[in-house]
Amino acid sequence: DQQVKQNSPSLSVQEGRISILNCDYTNSMFDYFLWYKKYPAEGPTFLISISSIKDKNEDGRFTVFLNKSAKHLSLHIVPSQPGDSAVYFCAASRGTYKYIFGTGTRLKVLA
Amino acid sequence: DAGVIQSPRHEVTEMGQEVTLRCKPISGHDYLFWYRQTMMRGLELLIYFNNNVPIDDSGMPEDRFSAKMPNASFSTLKIQPSEPRDSAVYFCASSPQLSADTQYFGPGTRLTVL
Repeated sequence: DQQVKQNSPSLSVQEGRISILNCDYTNSMFDYFLWYKKYPAEGPTFLISISSIKDKNEDGRFTVFLNKSAKHLSLHIVPSQPGDSAVYFCAASRGTYKYIFGTGTRLKVLA
Repeated sequence: DAGVIQSPRHEVTEMGQEVTLRCKPISGHDYLFWYRQTMMRGLELLIYFNNNVPIDDSGMPEDRFSAKMPNASFSTLKIQPSEPRDSAVYFCASSPQLSADTQYFGPGTRLTVL
């Protein structure tokens, strides 16, 4: 059973608009969450994280929101750029290293 | 630094054959992780090493899978015998500490078992 779910396998957004990628989890014991970005033929790279004591974390154009009551995580990219086109994985853990990853959402930013 | 190096980048083999995937971590990183990526299950942690010692192999799917780290600059993941359901992309990652936000991933090995 998938404990971390990314229900949208793909998303297309116009350049300059907001991209919102969603992630749901089932285990209320998860206390640390990550987003990774992956380009074709490359390994994933860390993008942004958030701990369960916060509900928002920003890093430039990227903001992660955590709604613990809904067990929901989202990544906002504003404004979206063509270089943001990639697969985005969310991940959750209890502790700091053994993460459960989602299956990914492929974002395509249209110029 | 060249980053994490994995070889081969692509491997096609027949069911029943032995497959060996190789990884060279970033120099100075004490932790090494092996992951498997599939469409159905996403990224799964298979095993991780600290200072060449396997610490947690609970993610290794079956006894057909084994991993070794004979020294700080080299690790292997072996599947013997291979099966079609092992087809996936296998990633190696290294890190200076035990946390996911400091892991550097290699480009992966795409394995196809016919």
